[in-house]
Amino acid sequence: DAKTTQPPSMDCAEGRAANLPCNHSTISGNEYVYWYRQIHSQGPQYIIHGLKNNETNEMASLIITEDRKSSTLILPHATLRDTAVYYCIVDYKLSFGAGTTVTVRA
Amino acid sequence: GAVVSQHPSRVICKSGTSVKIECRSLDFQATTMFWYRQFPKQSLMLMATSNEGSKATYEQGVEKDKFLINHASLTLSTLTVTSAHPEDSSFYICSAASQGLRTGELFFGEGSRLTVL
Repeated sequence: DAKTTQPPSMDCAEGRAANLPCNHSTISGNEYVYWYRQIHSQGPQYIIHGLKNNETNEMASLIITEDRKSSTLILPHATLRDTAVYYCIVDYKLSFGAGTTVTVRA
Repeated sequence: GAVVSQHPSRVICKSGTSVKIECRSLDFQATTMFWYRQFPKQSLMLMATSNEGSKATYEQGVEKDKFLINHASLTLSTLTVTSAHPEDSSFYICSAASQGLRTGELFFGEGSRLTVL
């Protein structure tokens, strides 16, 4: 069973920031939070991961709450190519839940 | 980033035949690879963990005699679907770890779509 919960879907306007929430209330102290996305009929693509501190890379930012029970993935300027299913994962086996289907609209 | 390649990307076979899918890490050594299966409109389901030089660890409900996994080198793992049937038709995806499991990201292959007639 997935150890995370995410909203099933989200719409976002092109050029705007997309904030994707994830709850992981049972996360253990040494488990990282990983975010991946899957564009239709492709393998998942790594986005970002973090343990305690907020992280930023060229794709996104990851904000982790102080109690580590939830996190938010931020796509700063969504483009149409960001339309995908986004997965938040916290265990090393990367058990995937249903993810959030993000649709970026022009 | 690191590259993981799967082959073939698509395969169609007759019921009862066996199909082999290869997963290669192209620019790093992967001591551990994971195999997933994804049915249409569903999430990825972990099938097994493949460790180089040892037997794979299968998830509950996955038949080890039907889904044979071999991880003979640090850059190659293979999944063989034996005596395939139409219900085995699915999208099979592999991933490989480039660093320690807890700190490194996994890199996924492009996936292999199997259709069993």
